[in-house]
Amino acid sequence: AQSVSQHNHHVILSEAASLELGCNYSYGGTVNLFWYVQYPGQHLQLLLKYFSGDPLVKGIKGFEAEFIKSKFSFNLRKPSVQWSDTAEYFCAVNDPGGFKTIFGAGTRLFVKA
Amino acid sequence: DAGVTQSPTHLIKTRGQQVTLRCSPKSGHDTVSWYQQALGQGPQFIFQYYEEEERQRGNFPDRFSGHQFPNYSSELNVNALLLGDSALYLCASSWGLAGAYEQYFGPGTRLTVT
Repeated sequence: AQSVSQHNHHVILSEAASLELGCNYSYGGTVNLFWYVQYPGQHLQLLLKYFSGDPLVKGIKGFEAEFIKSKFSFNLRKPSVQWSDTAEYFCAVNDPGGFKTIFGAGTRLFVKA
Repeated sequence: DAGVTQSPTHLIKTRGQQVTLRCSPKSGHDTVSWYQQALGQGPQFIFQYYEEEERQRGNFPDRFSGHQFPNYSSELNVNALLLGDSALYLCASSWGLAGAYEQYFGPGTRLTVT
């Protein structure tokens, strides 16, 4: 069965620090990969996605993620975080032939102003 | 353009009761997926509906059932409620056979079972 593992449950950073959130998945075949974000009081929303092609994908608000197939990883990065990036971040995966999306447990990011 | 809407916002039920949650998809979307999000966890896939049929189901018992109407709105029904069913229930909509690829989430319904 597919599963998604997010390494950090809570991360605290100061503004302007760099961010990297780890995500590993278990699935042997081709996958579609996602990062979702939930800002305080808001709906879960798509941050970025990888379907195929360039393994380095760019999303909204300066976020990017790199798909490394050999490591089954899809880590999220941002060079310089802002206080407004305080949110919960979820990594997710689904296989192109299926309709089921599997989410990780989430990482709560708090950015100190 | 209205996004995904869910009702009610909050609900308190007693063990053994039944509950119905409702979802209206984003305009132009025809696929609805339901997720359960327990405290401190990520959303867990319950099932997905397309063309009024359940297309795929996660690891949830038959107490969880659903329906999709011709206008693409959907209901999630849970029978014989257990304390463990207390969670945030999320609805997500998307378009066509692409299914779960690009999903838009609603605000959720917070269900508390006492």
